[in-house]
Amino acid sequence: GQQLNQSPQSMFIQEGEDVSMNCTSSSIFNTWLWYKQEPGEGPVLLIALYKAGELTSNGRLTAQFGITRKDSFLNISASIPSDVGIYFCAGFITGANNLFFGTGTRLTVIP
Amino acid sequence: NAGVTQTPKFHILKIGQSMTLQCTQDMNHNYMYWYRQDPGMGLKLIYYSVGAGITDKGEVPNGYNVSRSTTEDFPLRLELAAPSQTSVYFCASRQGWTGEQYFGPGTRLTVT
Repeated sequence: GQQLNQSPQSMFIQEGEDVSMNCTSSSIFNTWLWYKQEPGEGPVLLIALYKAGELTSNGRLTAQFGITRKDSFLNISASIPSDVGIYFCAGFITGANNLFFGTGTRLTVIP
Repeated sequence: NAGVTQTPKFHILKIGQSMTLQCTQDMNHNYMYWYRQDPGMGLKLIYYSVGAGITDKGEVPNGYNVSRSTTEDFPLRLELAAPSQTSVYFCASRQGWTGEQYFGPGTRLTVT
């Protein structure tokens, strides 16, 4: 199957700092998705991107669909303790049955 | 809409026993999925369904079975449970043409 490489694997940051993470693939995707999973919960969709170069925001979160269609980036500005969780990227090819998930970035915010 | 619901939330199973994890969605989505997530790991696809009456294997189907008799329900059956099936199980659904999947809250299963 297709491999999505997410980095970094984990991050420890101070409250108030900005966060950047990315996801790369060997294949092209038509859609990039970003999910957040809090402890003991299911993944929740944060942002969906449909077009190469697209930049989309959701509050303090901003995600970009890479111009090559093989990568995507997620930024969180002015982090707060409730940002703690695992962030997963996922790629989708139109017409496919399934998503391809990254391995996740575990974010810890130190108050 | 309740979205995707899963029952039970927690369960302890003895080795060799069987059980069914329930999943229901009220969004009229065609596609439904079962994933497992081991501690500290990502999501692995067990089975999926593209519509009522149609199911297919994912990455890790051994030891599991599914059925899809209605659009709303997609139960996952564990036969002869083994300790390796200790995991958190997530059900998800999506519409036909977009990639967005919506997840349930998960079932935490321990096999001892």
